[in-house]
Amino acid sequence: AQSVTQLGSHVSVSEGALVLLRCNYSSSVPPYLFWYVQYPNQGLQLLLKYTTGATLVKGINGFEAEFKKSETSFHLTKPSAHMSDAAEYLCSVIDRDTGKLIFGQGTTLQVKP
Amino acid sequence: EAGVAQSPRYKIIEKRQSVAFWCNPISGHATLYWYQQILGQGPKLLIQFQNNGVVDDSQLPKDRFSAERLKGVDSTLKIQPAKLEDSAVYLCASSPHGQTSSYEQYFGPGTRLTVT
Repeated sequence: AQSVTQLGSHVSVSEGALVLLRCNYSSSVPPYLFWYVQYPNQGLQLLLKYTTGATLVKGINGFEAEFKKSETSFHLTKPSAHMSDAAEYLCSVIDRDTGKLIFGQGTTLQVKP
Repeated sequence: EAGVAQSPRYKIIEKRQSVAFWCNPISGHATLYWYQQILGQGPKLLIQFQNNGVVDDSQLPKDRFSAERLKGVDSTLKIQPAKLEDSAVYLCASSPHGQTSSYEQYFGPGTRLTVT
């Protein structure tokens, strides 16, 4: 069965610092990978996705992620954190046979002034 | 285009009471999902509909949870009777999966249920 592991349930960075949120997956076939962001009292919003093609994927709000097959990783980065980036970030992989989305447990990003 | 709509946004009930949530997916989306997100965890799929048929309900506690998607559009999720451990955010999502090769899911704002 496919699974997603997010390292670190809470990450704290200073405003302007690099953001790195880690995600590793297990999949027996080339995966489709997603990062979602969830602001307080809101639903999930898609940040970016990897399906095929270029392994470095750019998303909204300055975020990007790189698919590394050899490391089974899809880490999310942003060069300079902004206060508005404080939110819950969820990494997910999709079962391409069923369309079932499997989520990691989430990482709460705190941005300090 | 309008997003996924859910109501109510918040609900507080006592244990053993019943509750129902409503979801209106994005127009034209064939697939509809209900997820349960307990505090501190990622969303867990409860049930997946393709049009008005159930594709996957393996994680739905069928002794107390039920869901339907009449006419392949709106959906309701019901809990009867509720337990304390049902306190969570219930998310509805829709996807054009089944019509295109895109697997992206679009989420509604969720319903936060508190069972006391």
